[in-house]
Amino acid sequence: DAGVIQSPRHEVTEMGQEVTLRCKPISGHNSLFWYRQTMMRGLELLIYFNNNVPIDDSGMPEDRFSAKMPNASFSTLKIQPSEPRDSAVYFCASSLGAAYTGELFFGEGSRLTVL
Amino acid sequence: DAKTTQPPSMDCAEGRAANLPCNHSTISGNEYVYWYRQIHSQGPQYIIHGLKNNETNEMASLIITEDRKSSTLILPHATLRDTAVYYCIVRVAGNTDKLIFGTGTRLQVFP
Repeated sequence: DAGVIQSPRHEVTEMGQEVTLRCKPISGHNSLFWYRQTMMRGLELLIYFNNNVPIDDSGMPEDRFSAKMPNASFSTLKIQPSEPRDSAVYFCASSLGAAYTGELFFGEGSRLTVL
Repeated sequence: DAKTTQPPSMDCAEGRAANLPCNHSTISGNEYVYWYRQIHSQGPQYIIHGLKNNETNEMASLIITEDRKSSTLILPHATLRDTAVYYCIVRVAGNTDKLIFGTGTRLQVFP
């Protein structure tokens, strides 16, 4: 299996631009998670989906952030408009969820720089 | 989910056992202890988890005290590639699959 695939790996954009990060979870996994990592705040859970349905988005910082999971094999995290404080590494992870005891498989991350 | 306390950093000589402690004194009876690690610039990687019995796999051993208020992750023969941040997390297994990371322990393995 190819593992969790994220794109782009690196994104540099200017303040005010729209940013879309993409994630393909491991086939068969039914839970998907978006995390953000910065030096100041560490790893923060933004949102997670179970069976394509958002279960908890309490970690989404503000309305500029939105996440979708239109099907079991694809998810997006969108920031519109982007701000310099959004600069971070964004990780996507997937797991079997539900009855499984919760091993999460992480992608390699998308490093976002907002100028 | 219960909170955990870990030392911010530790050193270990290559080839020696690395023993990483974690305190989780408010753990509930149905909460598991999980360990993940994050090597620089990579996504976190699952290591091991347990409920109350000691566990061992190809990567590490997990020792949980009888009262479950603390645990130790043991890397039996640390290598330079084990240099990473190690996270101890407690959570309830089930449908609400939230995994909340703390600040972890930065383990430096030196030659």
